[in-house]
Amino acid sequence: DIQMTQSPSSLSASVGDRVTITCRASQGIYNYLAWYQQKPGKVPKLLIYAASSLQSGVPSRFSGSGSGTDFTLTISSLQAEDVATYYCQNYNRPSGTFGPGTKVDIK
Amino acid sequence: EVQLLESGGGLVQPGGSLRLSCAASGFTFSSYAMSWVRQAPGKGLEWVSNIGGSGDSTYYADSVKGRFTISRDNSKNTLYLQMNSLRAEDTAVYYCAKVLRFLEWLPGPFDSWGQGTLVTVSS
Repeated sequence: DIQMTQSPSSLSASVGDRVTITCRASQGIYNYLAWYQQKPGKVPKLLIYAASSLQSGVPSRFSGSGSGTDFTLTISSLQAEDVATYYCQNYNRPSGTFGPGTKVDIK
Repeated sequence: EVQLLESGGGLVQPGGSLRLSCAASGFTFSSYAMSWVRQAPGKGLEWVSNIGGSGDSTYYADSVKGRFTISRDNSKNTLYLQMNSLRAEDTAVYYCAKVLRFLEWLPGPFDSWGQGTLVTVSS
């Protein structure tokens, strides 16, 4: 099975900072990679799919890049409402494995 | 508006069984793959199982293979998860989730999620 790793596991940044989260797949998954945001006590929200496509309604400060095994989620200017845990997900069949998550908070 | 409403969670003893349901509305249910995703208390997301629109293609995480069965009834717009031989490590909130793209039988990405139903496996 494909394993997903994320780094860092947590980060603290100031409002307005550029934040980058990395996701790595144990084998190539083309661009079958999604990013989700989960705020405390809430259900996950889809941010990015196909590695770099922004889901409808998601602010443009969120962007994704990468293909194959290495992927990145970038928040261009961190806002207070972006405090959450971020998960990557491989959806290249047969499995839909999630990464372990990256917790983002405000410094 | 897409709505997904899970039910069937509760407290069950180790080795027991439970069937979860997810009632869907607001979209053409049979045209979308569906998945179950779970989240243990204080832990991350774990994909559990996926089913294609007609129900004939199913996939499972290794952790539940042979114990859980996913199915769907397109006439009732309902997704199911039959869970047998339950273990303490199956304790989690179980979410049903709808795949983003029409007629794409993939285990993601998920654009709609239910609110979840809690399954607790304990004696």
